[in-house]
Amino acid sequence: DAKTTQPPSMDCAEGRAANLPCNHSTISGNEYVYWYRQIHSQGPQYIIHGLKNNETNEMASLIITEDRKSSTLILPHATLRDTAVYYCIVRTDSWGKFQFGAGTQVVVTP
Amino acid sequence: NAGVTQTPKFQVLKTGQSMTLQCAQDMNHNSMYWYRQDPGMGLRLIYYSASEGTTDKGEVPNGYNVSRLNKREFSLRLESAAPSQTSVYFCASHVRALSSYEQYFGPGTRLTVT
Repeated sequence: DAKTTQPPSMDCAEGRAANLPCNHSTISGNEYVYWYRQIHSQGPQYIIHGLKNNETNEMASLIITEDRKSSTLILPHATLRDTAVYYCIVRTDSWGKFQFGAGTQVVVTP
Repeated sequence: NAGVTQTPKFQVLKTGQSMTLQCAQDMNHNSMYWYRQDPGMGLRLIYYSASEGTTDKGEVPNGYNVSRLNKREFSLRLESAAPSQTSVYFCASHVRALSSYEQYFGPGTRLTVT
């Protein structure tokens, strides 16, 4: 199963873009990259996912490198409400069993 | 459309007591999951149910049993609670589709075992 590596924490200034890296060097060809976040004490929330093309939705953008060994989640204009733990997950099973790692604690400061 | 609901929200048990955590989803999803999250840690999969009538062990199944009662409901039972089971328990569900594995999570049950 492909595993992911993320920095344990990062800070971001309010209004600036937050770029969250994730390494998944053992990813296989049919595995998707998913991003979730967990705001304190709440259940995780889906953000975005992708296979090999860059993706964008109303919450964020996902940039996947051409070799698919790493990706970056971009929060274009971070707000204080974006303070959360962000999880990068590679789908580990053909039908979607997820393995959550420790994630990156993002703190957005005024 | 309530999404994924969990009951109770909080529970305190004494060592050796039993209880069942309830989870229900109204999105007609095929697959359901139970995770636990210890303080400062990521989520760990306890059990999952790929479809109605099937259940399988995840990473940390010891001390738990599950029942997929129907398509909507997936319960988690602690037969003899231990302090090591103090945790926040999250239920999740998703629909099985070729390119979409977005999981929807409930609000969690905070369990303390004394």
